[in-house]
Amino acid sequence: QSALTQPASVSGSPGQSITISCTGTSSDVGGYNSVSWYQQHPGKAPKLIIFDVSNRPSGVSNRFSGSKSGNTASLTISGLQAEDEADYYCNSYTSTSARVFGGGTKLTVL
Amino acid sequence: EVWLLESGGGLLQPGGSLRLSCAASGFSFSSYAMTWVRQAPGKGLEWVSTISGSGVYTYFADSVKGRFTISSDRSENTVYLQMNSLRAEDTAVYYCAKESGVAAFDAWGQGTLVTVSS
Repeated sequence: QSALTQPASVSGSPGQSITISCTGTSSDVGGYNSVSWYQQHPGKAPKLIIFDVSNRPSGVSNRFSGSKSGNTASLTISGLQAEDEADYYCNSYTSTSARVFGGGTKLTVL
Repeated sequence: EVWLLESGGGLLQPGGSLRLSCAASGFSFSSYAMTWVRQAPGKGLEWVSTISGSGVYTYFADSVKGRFTISSDRSENTVYLQMNSLRAEDTAVYYCAKESGVAAFDAWGQGTLVTVSS
């Protein structure tokens, strides 16, 4: 159960787009379409923003989008806003029925 | 509206035991898997354990396997995490989460802090 690999930090200016990658293996990200993404602001519980690779829950802005290619999933945030500054985590189902998170990415809006 | 309320956290010594509870409301409890996720101070999220909606199937992270058990009481809409042989590295905020579909945690509690220290 090794953690999925995410960049420690990314940054962008308001209005720009950024992409956060999440790399796993064929036993997790590459093997299933059960990849989800979470946004966490300091001191708050995480919030689901993408599920099943590319689906947005009701109420989540369409500025958030997800995709997957091989063993790597990606989260793209377009039209960056100040309130997007947060930590972002990916998660995947695995071949052993475990779930595994990425190490997290800190997004800074410049 | 979905509500998840964790309780049971506290300060205890290494080797001790603790049971966390998560009371759920606002959804059909037995229709969804429930999961515990923890976050050590200043660190990332770590999946801990999941129990199926029926309560029959349980899954654990390698880091807690053999020490933690998960159970649910469908009459009380509550999920429990029994933690034994606690270690300093188990210190974290423990969140319970409702799992919609597979590995999509669409509702979270506010978390309960567990501190293991001598």
